[in-house]
Amino acid sequence: GAVVSQHPSWVICKSGTSVKIECRSLDFQATTMFWYRQFPKQSLMLMATSNEGSKATYEQGVEKDKFLINHASLTLSTLTVTSAHPEDSSFYICSASDQDNYEQYFGPGTRLTVT
Amino acid sequence: AQSVSQHNHHVILSEAASLELGCNYSYGGTVNLFWYVQYPGQHLQLLLKYFSGDPLVKGIKGFEAEFIKSKFSFNLRKPSVQWSDTAEYFCAVDAGFQKLVFGTGTRLLVSP
Repeated sequence: GAVVSQHPSWVICKSGTSVKIECRSLDFQATTMFWYRQFPKQSLMLMATSNEGSKATYEQGVEKDKFLINHASLTLSTLTVTSAHPEDSSFYICSASDQDNYEQYFGPGTRLTVT
Repeated sequence: AQSVSQHNHHVILSEAASLELGCNYSYGGTVNLFWYVQYPGQHLQLLLKYFSGDPLVKGIKGFEAEFIKSKFSFNLRKPSVQWSDTAEYFCAVDAGFQKLVFGTGTRLLVSP
């Protein structure tokens, strides 16, 4: 099946700094990628939809200036958490959509800890 | 807004027991429904999906799910579980444009 990678798999940063997370579709082109957030023992919550070559669409309640999303190519989307705070600590998961079979493939996730 | 409910948060079964995990969604229109599995330390993987047609959907690894429109349900079943089925299972509904709304997940532990 299709493979989606995320980098880094985990990151620790200090409060006030910015962190960039990469999501890549390794063997297919994805015009659409999605970013989710998962809190401990909770479900995945969609943060935003990332479309190649256009601005991301954010879900209600997600600060677009805090969570910057860039989808510069058909295989790469990045999520930058700006001025991170401890409450941003979470597990961030991306998925990439294969338009041919209308299926999303998920990355392994990135655990962010803000100290 | 669409929502998904999974009633069983933790399920413990012995090997060879039958499994049924409940999933109910709230959405009155046409729905696309999914079950995903997350094995320990791994990423989410698609078990099966329903878009239209036969309401009984067969997926990978012997799993199946039945879409019952009148009950807004999409329960996951497996006749005989194995130890390797130990994982977390998520039901999801497509809220439009492939935006998935997930249930809270069910942790399944299968004892050998």
